[in-house]
Amino acid sequence: QIQLVESGGGVVQPGRSLRLSCVASGFTFSSFGMHWVRQAPGKGLEWVAEIWYDGNKKYHADSVRGRFTISRDNSKNTLYLQMNSLRAEDTAVYYCARDRSIRSGWFDPWGQGALVTVSS
Amino acid sequence: QSVVTQPPSASGTPGQRVTISCSGSSSNIGSNAVNWYQQLPGTAPKLLIYSNNQRPSGIPDRFSGSKSGTSASLAISGLQSEDEADYYCAAWDDSLNGPLFGGGTKLTVL
Repeated sequence: QIQLVESGGGVVQPGRSLRLSCVASGFTFSSFGMHWVRQAPGKGLEWVAEIWYDGNKKYHADSVRGRFTISRDNSKNTLYLQMNSLRAEDTAVYYCARDRSIRSGWFDPWGQGALVTVSS
Repeated sequence: QSVVTQPPSASGTPGQRVTISCSGSSSNIGSNAVNWYQQLPGTAPKLLIYSNNQRPSGIPDRFSGSKSGTSASLAISGLQSEDEADYYCAAWDDSLNGPLFGGGTKLTVL
């Protein structure tokens, strides 16, 4: 079945780096754009970044631009989020999600999420 | 700054029909399709409605979506206890150049 599995979350000190991974299975990964969406504890959903199916176009939310970088390796069916200069406000569950239609906000499925805690 | 607004809470009794509103602007709902997600406690969001009123396979027809102008609504008929969850609307925002989520509505089944 179609599945997305995130990994790489954990506890990290402010200012340090962390890389999240999202492994896709059950569909042709290289044919779909992908997104990262995060959810701070007790809060709503916030879009983080988007990458097109071929990796040629990438977009990041203002809140993470210059610190986070989305990337993908289609040969490994894997999506990444490199997070640098982490701040306390980056603490959240990070979900990867498959884009069903460009510029639509239509995501299906979502991964189970990876918890990132930024704390000293 | 672009914002999509949902009521923070809604409630109903089993069997009742409830609606959740989603209000935006010309840069998001007014010019792009609306999608709805259900997030059960402790789980990842799940697609409920896409393209304003389309249900993915496996979603009961008790769930329906509509859109008019810069607002959208999610209706749940024949409310069941398992519908107790957080519901989010989302639409592409042309100013943000990314998807914009509503703040979410916590549905309680009394």
